[in-house]
Amino acid sequence: QITLKESGPTLVKPTQTLTLTCTFSGFSLSTSGVGVGWIRQPPGKALEWLALIYWDDDKRYTPSLKSSLTITKDTSKNQVILTLTNMDPVHTATYYCVRHVRGVPDYWGQGALVTVSS
Amino acid sequence: DIQMTQSPSTLSASVGDRVTITCRASQSISYFLAWFQQKPGKAPKLLIYKTSTLASGVPSRFSGSGSGTEFTLTISSLQPDDFATYHCQQYNSFTWTFGQGTKVEIK
Repeated sequence: QITLKESGPTLVKPTQTLTLTCTFSGFSLSTSGVGVGWIRQPPGKALEWLALIYWDDDKRYTPSLKSSLTITKDTSKNQVILTLTNMDPVHTATYYCVRHVRGVPDYWGQGALVTVSS
Repeated sequence: DIQMTQSPSTLSASVGDRVTITCRASQSISYFLAWFQQKPGKAPKLLIYKTSTLASGVPSRFSGSGSGTEFTLTISSLQPDDFATYHCQQYNSFTWTFGQGTKVEIK
């Protein structure tokens, strides 16, 4: 059974750095073609793809946030970590951790709501 | 970035109706398009990938078609469980982008 779960702070202040951890099970991030990424959704708004790390450590970022995002993996712990610097209230959203296989986001975590407010 | 535009934004329909949602890409994405269903408070669920391949467990009343820049999701006979928001997503480029979503509501 494949599961992914997001963890991290629920509230961050403007200008702070957000660090989210995705802990997954039921698959390996060492398998060719597999990646784990992050997608967010502000309340009542559209989904926004953020970042993806592949089994071979290839990393992809959405261009508009590339300078603010970092994605890393710890294969031994089955974890993927996302950091987003200089948080702003517009970054308030539910952040989803998502497995990708050959580019297709097939399994999603339940999501973690992060609020940016002073 | 490749922009994805869905239409309509909201669709009112009745149980049993045939429903079609359109997704247009700002440039060709070949057949690298996926559709997701999302219910309130829940994570999106993969319905279709590679334009027309149904994900595991998805009912056959769902179908997808298209290529290049224009794609459609069709529900052949809307069921009560299908009232939800539907999202398209392209995965052709080095980064991925979503449409703005289509809410299917009860008429």
